[in-house]
Amino acid sequence: QSVLTQPPSASGTPGQRVTISCSGSSSNIGSNTVNWYQQLPGTAPKLLIYSNNQRPSGVPDRFSGSKSGTSASLAISGLQSEDEADYYCAAWDDSLIYVVFGGGTKLTVL
Amino acid sequence: QVQLVQSGAEVKKPGASVKVSCKASGYTFTSYDINWVRQATGQGLEWMGWMNPNSGNTGYAQKFQGRVTMTRNTSISTAYMELSSLRSEDTAVYYCASNYCSGGSCWFDPWGQGTLVTVSS
Repeated sequence: QSVLTQPPSASGTPGQRVTISCSGSSSNIGSNTVNWYQQLPGTAPKLLIYSNNQRPSGVPDRFSGSKSGTSASLAISGLQSEDEADYYCAAWDDSLIYVVFGGGTKLTVL
Repeated sequence: QVQLVQSGAEVKKPGASVKVSCKASGYTFTSYDINWVRQATGQGLEWMGWMNPNSGNTGYAQKFQGRVTMTRNTSISTAYMELSSLRSEDTAVYYCASNYCSGGSCWFDPWGQGTLVTVSS
């Protein structure tokens, strides 16, 4: 049971816009920033979004993040086949005193 | 470029210990904490703990307290994670990740390529 809650799956067709939600509590998302990681099949996770809505260099602007209260979202616009991956949200938890992850969302491009 | 390179796959028997290494390059090793995260097959990411390469200070998830030890050798820019009393449930890919912080926020970047640890009799 993950501390942060994500839908287990999401899907879309090429060119569509897809959003993935991440729900937490006041001790994690509610008081700390959220990061998103992309894990392509058979590879290590890679930083996708940091500090709620910042993109590292090299990440296309099709990817965007937002946060409101105790929830966060990752949006992917202009969906492409290479976006098919697992996506994880993460945040520091002030009560547990460690980083907590969402259970991951498997994105399928139909 | 900035990267973390981990040691190769391991197969261990139940009750044994495993030590995974994580070599940093492209940045000053002592500048950022190293975190360890594991992932069982088909499962999500699970944070295990952190180590400050400068001081050697560590912090472990309660689940692993007493079984995990994180150390480093600054002369070769390498961090280590040792897990003892292995059981089948510890079969997973273990990742190291550098904890970069700025403006009061922190995130994991980069990640090592992962080390598969298989626990089997």
